Amino acid sequence: KNEVEQSPQNLTAQEGEFITINCSYSVGISALHWLQQHPGGGIVSLFMLSSGKKKHGRLIATINIQEKHSSLHITASHPRDSAVYICAVLTGTASKLTFGTGTRLQVTL
Amino acid sequence: NAGVTQTPKFRILKIGQSMTLQCTQDMNHNYMYWYRQDPGMGLKLIYYSVGAGITDKGEVPNGYNVSRSTTEDFPLRLELAAPSQTSVYFCASSPEGPNDEQYFGPGTRLTVT
Repeated sequence: KNEVEQSPQNLTAQEGEFITINCSYSVGISALHWLQQHPGGGIVSLFMLSSGKKKHGRLIATINIQEKHSSLHITASHPRDSAVYICAVLTGTASKLTFGTGTRLQVTL
Repeated sequence: NAGVTQTPKFRILKIGQSMTLQCTQDMNHNYMYWYRQDPGMGLKLIYYSVGAGITDKGEVPNGYNVSRSTTEDFPLRLELAAPSQTSVYFCASSPEGPNDEQYFGPGTRLTVT
């Protein structure tokens, strides 16, 4: 079993829909990252969180440490949100991130 | 600021050849990383550095070497390229380590035939 599992693997939505991407992990962590990989391949960091909730524009990230689960929400989705969204966790004593395989999102008009 | 830059963008190597992937950051970040991304797999850490002169192995270091002579530069050397090293390579940096935002380069797509 992978340490980091994302669901769904693929997601298609219509413009304007509310989107949820899930990330579950199997070990204790000190931080969780959400990243976005553009269709051209570039990767940008969206959020880093260790508790609670963060919001940036139409993106919201939440984490439940007890349930070992995080969600990334996109409100009022737009075709420019089409990308792969990657979850990564930092375990307590590790000096490296463990990455999920990503959720491929396509938003259509 | 240019952020994190990588060269080349694409490269095709023959089995047994060697090459260096260049990575430079202009944000004065202490931490730098090399990752590889294979189709359908999560990013895997190859090597990382916590500052000039200090490097350490990640999950998949075999077949690679790194050096960090300056804060800005973190080249990745492939010796004796093998088809298993066909991948997309990303360099990243962060100010204070993996518990901090990471800034990624645009990637290098390497094919070994």
